Amino acid sequence: GQNIDQPTEMTATEGAIVQINCTYQTSGFNGLFWYQQHAGEAPTFLSYNVLDGLEEKGRFSSFLSRSKGYSYLLLKELQMKDSASYLCAVEEGTGKLIFGQGTTLQVKP
Amino acid sequence: NAGVMQNPRHLVRRRGQEARLRCSPMKGHSHVYWYRQLPEEGLKFMVYLQKENIIDESGMPKERFSAEFPKEGPSILRIQQVVRGDSAAYFCASSPNHGQNYGYTFGSGTRLTVV
Repeated sequence: GQNIDQPTEMTATEGAIVQINCTYQTSGFNGLFWYQQHAGEAPTFLSYNVLDGLEEKGRFSSFLSRSKGYSYLLLKELQMKDSASYLCAVEEGTGKLIFGQGTTLQVKP
Repeated sequence: NAGVMQNPRHLVRRRGQEARLRCSPMKGHSHVYWYRQLPEEGLKFMVYLQKENIIDESGMPKERFSAEFPKEGPSILRIQQVVRGDSAAYFCASSPNHGQNYGYTFGSGTRLTVV
């Protein structure tokens, strides 16, 4: 079966660091994506991992362990504008993305 | 360089009517994907199309739903005889090929409300 789990909600303080975890069980794996989605807007691409390890891009980093079916998104130096939903998605072979339910992050002053 | 364009942004239909959702992919992109997001749920894959071909429709309901991506013009997601349960946000994404080597870009979605 296909299952992607991530926490429903998280709260963090402006300037802090937050880690959003994602575990997955899918029938195929061509890579793992993280997207950011503000309410009423399009999901926007944040990161992509296909090999084990850490990918860093500015304030955002993403980690993947294929053997554990685990990924996390790390956000540093949080800003108020980072308040959004963060979507973990696994790409199957046919170009199909399997999404988790999303994690709503609230950044407080 | 316009992104993925979806229209309309909001669509209201009465039960039993037809809904047509349009998606124009990014310039140079020949692969289109449709996803549905029900309230409080994640995005669910519906269908993957290339020009004039349906590649994977494993997420499409068997009845009332159809999709096309003609040689000319936008991709169309068509829902016949809509019911209240069809109320959702429908997102389209496009890529120059499938796979992250090429990237998936999402549109802003069409929010369908069935009354």
